Amino acid sequence: DAGITQSPRYKITETGRQVTLMCHQTWSHSYMFWYRQDLGHGLRLIYYSAAADITDKGEVPDGYVVSRSKTENFPLTLESATRSQTSVYFCASSERGGQGPNYGYTFGSGTRLTVV
Amino acid sequence: RKEVEQDPGPFNVPEGATVAFNCTYSNSASQSFFWYRQDCRKEPKLLMSVYSSGNEDGRFTAQLNRASQYISLLIRDSKLSDSATYLCVVNSRTSYDKVIFGPGTSLSVIP
Repeated sequence: DAGITQSPRYKITETGRQVTLMCHQTWSHSYMFWYRQDLGHGLRLIYYSAAADITDKGEVPDGYVVSRSKTENFPLTLESATRSQTSVYFCASSERGGQGPNYGYTFGSGTRLTVV
Repeated sequence: RKEVEQDPGPFNVPEGATVAFNCTYSNSASQSFFWYRQDCRKEPKLLMSVYSSGNEDGRFTAQLNRASQYISLLIRDSKLSDSATYLCVVNSRTSYDKVIFGPGTSLSVIP
């Protein structure tokens, strides 16, 4: 089915482990984004990508790595997980990165990550 | 001052009531505006874009006031299913990393 999917839905990992969260979209949207959502902070941008092989840092990139070798995939890796990275992670895509009233974002259903 | 501010609420209103949310933004270069809805523990979903002249979608009306740098969302004839958090989203024209999500306003519609 067309859409944007994230996996896994839930993940528990230990401090210091490497974790990769997957995001896949079927619309061929140019723009993809990773956000984290925490109580008291709302949605904060981690990384974004304007096209394959083009990525850039958002507001809170430290401790995260992204890649985008194919337009449809935008994985997010926590190189060495810390408890402060316990959060809900949302991936989103957009045809034009929200540039214009007709180009909002579509979000995946999220990954709930707990670092113990 | 935060770039996008919203009254966190919660707004508790009876079914059938009219409720309005306001959102203020600080960047005068902002060009695109949206309202998103987020249900508990779910992803945000685009509710509506906000056009300069204001726009309506059924029971929902969005307004933009560039001079005062705020946008509003009016919900008429509230339904139980409208209970959610409403996020104001503001985007500058020139930078993709300047899409700013407001903290959200919580709405509970009570039977």
